[in-house]
Amino acid sequence: EDQVTQSPEALRLQEGESSSLNCSYTVSGLRGLFWYRQDPGKGPEFLFTLYSAGEEKEKERLKATLTKKESFLHITAPKPEDSATYLCAVNNAGNMLTFGGGTRLMVKP
Amino acid sequence: DVKVTQSSRYLVKRTGEKVFLECVQDMDHENMFWYRQDPGLGLRLIYFSYDVKMKEKGDIPEGYSVSREKKERFSLILESASTNQTSMYLCASSFVLYNSPLHFGNGTRLTVT
Repeated sequence: EDQVTQSPEALRLQEGESSSLNCSYTVSGLRGLFWYRQDPGKGPEFLFTLYSAGEEKEKERLKATLTKKESFLHITAPKPEDSATYLCAVNNAGNMLTFGGGTRLMVKP
Repeated sequence: DVKVTQSSRYLVKRTGEKVFLECVQDMDHENMFWYRQDPGLGLRLIYFSYDVKMKEKGDIPEGYSVSREKKERFSLILESASTNQTSMYLCASSFVLYNSPLHFGNGTRLTVT
């Protein structure tokens, strides 16, 4: 059975304090890994797709990387508006999509 | 931008009631999905549809049904609501059925008492 584990469950940062969120996965044949951002009271918003180990994607202060076992979402010099829950999801060879439990990020000014 | 609109943000229903959750998307996507989101369990797929009148069961279809009479509209039906169906329900659409970003609505928080 596919498993997706995100850590930590919650992360508190000071504004400007860079850090990384982790998404570890065990899937039968990775076809794609997705990162989403979810603000309170809203649906998830798509950020990135990564397809193969070694791939990297960037958007503003966010950078996603992928290895054969995990993905990292690096946040450089975060701002309070980066506070949200970040979700990762993996699509396996059978086209089953499995979501992780999310990391709740809080950035204090 | 894709817009997925869920008709209700909050619903409170009684046990045994029939409940309809409505979702509309405006980007002509073939594919639509219903998920529920619960703390500690993440997002779980209930049903999806890849065309008008076509539907497939997801991971947790028990107690639910769906209807897709028009391409832009996908409805989730709880035939007889139970307290264990209290949850956040998220509708999504996508351009490609598999391995493609999902565009989510803002959710309906359903409470069954």
